[in-house]
This record gives sequence, C-alpha cells and structure tokens, in this order.
Amino acid sequence: EIVLTQSPATLSLSPGERATLSCRASQSVSSYLAWYQQKPGQAPRLLIYDASNRATGIPARFSGSGSGTDFTLTISSLEPEDFAVYYCQQRSNWGGFTFGPGTKVDIK
Amino acid sequence: EVQLVESGGGLVKPGGSLRLSCAASGFTFSSYSMNWVRQAPGKGLEWVSSISSSSSYIYYADSVKGRFTISRDNAKNSLYLQMNSLRAEDTAVYYCARVGYIVATIMGFDYWGQGTLVTVSS
Repeated sequence: EIVLTQSPATLSLSPGERATLSCRASQSVSSYLAWYQQKPGQAPRLLIYDASNRATGIPARFSGSGSGTDFTLTISSLEPEDFAVYYCQQRSNWGGFTFGPGTKVDIK
Repeated sequence: EVQLVESGGGLVKPGGSLRLSCAASGFTFSSYSMNWVRQAPGKGLEWVSSISSSSSYIYYADSVKGRFTISRDNAKNSLYLQMNSLRAEDTAVYYCARVGYIVATIMGFDYWGQGTLVTVSS
C-alpha cells in the first residue's frame, strides 16, 4: 500500500511569504495527486488535481508540481485566509484513496 | 448549487450500530461516484469507502472492512454508510464527498458535506 508523507508538519510563515509544502509517496503514484485545504470547523476544499491543475475557483497563487513520488504545493504569496491545514491525496490502483497526514501553515 | 447534507450521527456504545445518510442535490447524483471520509477529533483525514455511480464498484479502507457497508439510492439522491461493530477509534466527523471528473479524469473530491459527528463511547 502506498503511504504518503508530508513535510514539514508545521510551517510558520508571515503573510506575503512563499509557502512550499511537500508530499512524498512511498512508491510511484499515478498522475492522480490532489491537494486539499482545510480550515478549522470546515470541510476540506479541493485545490489541485492531477498534481498541477487548479480546481475551479482556486486562485492562481496556488500551484502544484511533481510526478512519480515527489510532489509540491506552492502558495506564492500567503494571504491571511491561506493559513490552514493542507492534505495531499492519492488514488490507489485498486480504487481506494489515501490522504497524507497534513501540513499546518500557521502565522509566524 | 451542489449540496451534500449528512445526517445520522450521534452517540453510540461500543459494539453498536449506526446508519449515516447523505442527501445530495444540485447535480445528477446518479452520474457520480461518492465517498465517505472521516476525521477523528484533532486528527487528519481518513478515506473510509467509495461507491461508483451505479454501485458496481465498492471499496473500503482496511480499518472498516467487514464492519461498514456503503450503499446508495439514486432514486432518492442519497448515499448511506451502515456502521456495525463500532469501536472507540471510529469516533470522528464523517463527511460525504463527491468525486469530480474532467473529461473522464478523476479530479478529486470536489464537493463535501459539512460532516456529521459519530461518538463511540460507553
């Protein structure tokens, strides 16, 4: 079973700074790699699919990259509303899904 | 507007059962695969189960296999999760989530409900 590891666990940054979040898979995943944002008390929101495609309505400051086992979510310039927890997700070849443990982006 | 509304959560004793429902509206429910995802208090997201649009394909996480059953009623635009033999570690907010597609490519879970809390405790 593929295991997703996210780093760092917590990222402390100031508004306007660039955030770089990592997601690493224990073995090569298909093109399916998605990123979600979750704020306290809210359901997750889909940000990125297929590693690098922004979902509908997602601002251009969010970008995804990577392939194989190493993926990155970049927030080019943090807005106050971007401080949240971010999860990566992959789809197994047998049809199930796996989430990473999450990276919390908090205000420095 | 796409809406997913979960219900059926509550307090249940270990070993007990509960049935969650998710009412869908604002889209053609019968065309989409659906999922249940849970989140234990203060923890991360855990995928629980998936069901294809016509119920032909069903998948479960190992942690719930044999105890939980996912189902759907396309005539009622509803998704269900029957949870049996509940354990303390099943305590979580349970979300239903739709699988989004673009040109037959799975996008991810593009719409989520607000969640329903299941507490397993004596």
